[in-house]
Amino acid sequence: QVQLQESGPGLVKPSQTLSLTCTVSGGSISSGSYFWSWIRQPAGKGLEWIGRIYTSGSTNYNPSLKSRVTISVDTSKNQFSLKLNSVTAADTAFYYCARVGYKGVFDYWGQGTLVTVSS
Amino acid sequence: QPVLTQPPSSSASPGESARLTCTLPSDINVGSYNIYWYQQKPGSPPRYLLYYYSDSDKGQGSGVPSRFSGSKDASANTGILLISGLQSEDEADYYCMIWPSNVVFGGGTKLTVL
Repeated sequence: QVQLQESGPGLVKPSQTLSLTCTVSGGSISSGSYFWSWIRQPAGKGLEWIGRIYTSGSTNYNPSLKSRVTISVDTSKNQFSLKLNSVTAADTAFYYCARVGYKGVFDYWGQGTLVTVSS
Repeated sequence: QPVLTQPPSSSASPGESARLTCTLPSDINVGSYNIYWYQQKPGSPPRYLLYYYSDSDKGQGSGVPSRFSGSKDASANTGILLISGLQSEDEADYYCMIWPSNVVFGGGTKLTVL
């Protein structure tokens, strides 16, 4: 059973960089034809897709965040990561990592981690 | 970024059916895309329910009961999630999603089981 777990600071200061890591267990991040994705959700609000990465390093980003986002993968650690720079209070949200499976389905999700942007 | 329109709330009684809608903008043809549906309960990540493209191209999430089903209304340019035989455990937020070039989620519908 594939499991994903987000980790990283829960508090980030405005204008700084938000950095999160998703550790994949129960299978190799490199096996199969999967993308790995980040999605966020402000408390009490809807879901927003941030971007995705293939294990080759190929990425796609939400156009609204593209200028500030970098997603990378470390296959040796079975992890992929998110960096979001120049954060503001509007970036305060639960951040989820997820696997993109067959037919573009987000089939496995992490439990999510709350990141608060505040001085 | 296209906007998928979902009613903010819906309610139905146990045993009844709930029909949740996801309306695409007029410049995006619902017939051309998979419509994905996710369920989210408080304090938990979203759970994949199903995707629907057509009656011959659809998929159900692992462990998702068959009383959850998808369809489309082409005349309304809308994707539909039908939940039959409502149970109290179905009370949750439901999100639709499409993936034209980038992933787009609807705003979600809060389903209350009265």
